[in-house]
Amino acid sequence: ELKVEQNPLFLSMQEGKNYTIYCNYSTTSDRLYWYRQDPGKSLESLFVLLSNGAVKQEGRLMASLDTKARLSTLHITAAVHDLSATYFCAVVGYNFNKFYFGSGTKLNVKP
Amino acid sequence: DTGVSQNPRHKITKRGQNVTFRCDPISEHNRLYWYRQTLGQGPEFLTYFQNEAQLEKSRLLSDRFSAERPKGSFSTLEIQRTEQGDSAMYLCASSFGGTNTEAFFGQGTRLTVV
Repeated sequence: ELKVEQNPLFLSMQEGKNYTIYCNYSTTSDRLYWYRQDPGKSLESLFVLLSNGAVKQEGRLMASLDTKARLSTLHITAAVHDLSATYFCAVVGYNFNKFYFGSGTKLNVKP
Repeated sequence: DTGVSQNPRHKITKRGQNVTFRCDPISEHNRLYWYRQTLGQGPEFLTYFQNEAQLEKSRLLSDRFSAERPKGSFSTLEIQRTEQGDSAMYLCASSFGGTNTEAFFGQGTRLTVV
């Protein structure tokens, strides 16, 4: 079964700093998704990465995908407190039937 | 509201009781997924439907769990004889079929079994 690993699992950082969250997955897939989840809330779609080398940016977040390395990154630039949340990456199975999620990275940005 | 809708938002039940949750997907989406999420974990796949057909079920879905999607629209997830280990957030998502699918999640139903 496809495995998805994220690291770090917890990240505490100061406002204004940069950091990267990593997402590794175990088998071939060229579709990767990033979601944000606030406490007690559902998942909000952030990025959809559909090919090797895909890069997408929204505000202070930038996501990229390297399908050969089976690696996606979510880069945070000049973090602000409002980015505090849990971030999940998810990979679609080979027949596009389901999403496999990582354990999440809980980000805490200190004001 | 054109998003995925789930009801109820919260459910507290006694062990051994049956519960049923409902999910109304985005209207033009033909795929519907159920996931379960426990505290500090990522969502775990339970089952999915393509229109009214249930195409895959996880091994997590014991015989106490059943899901339906009559007419390919809304879906229900029933848990019989609930156990404390069933306490979790149950998330529903929907998407178009196809290779560029993006899943949109509902607000979830938080189940507490006491």
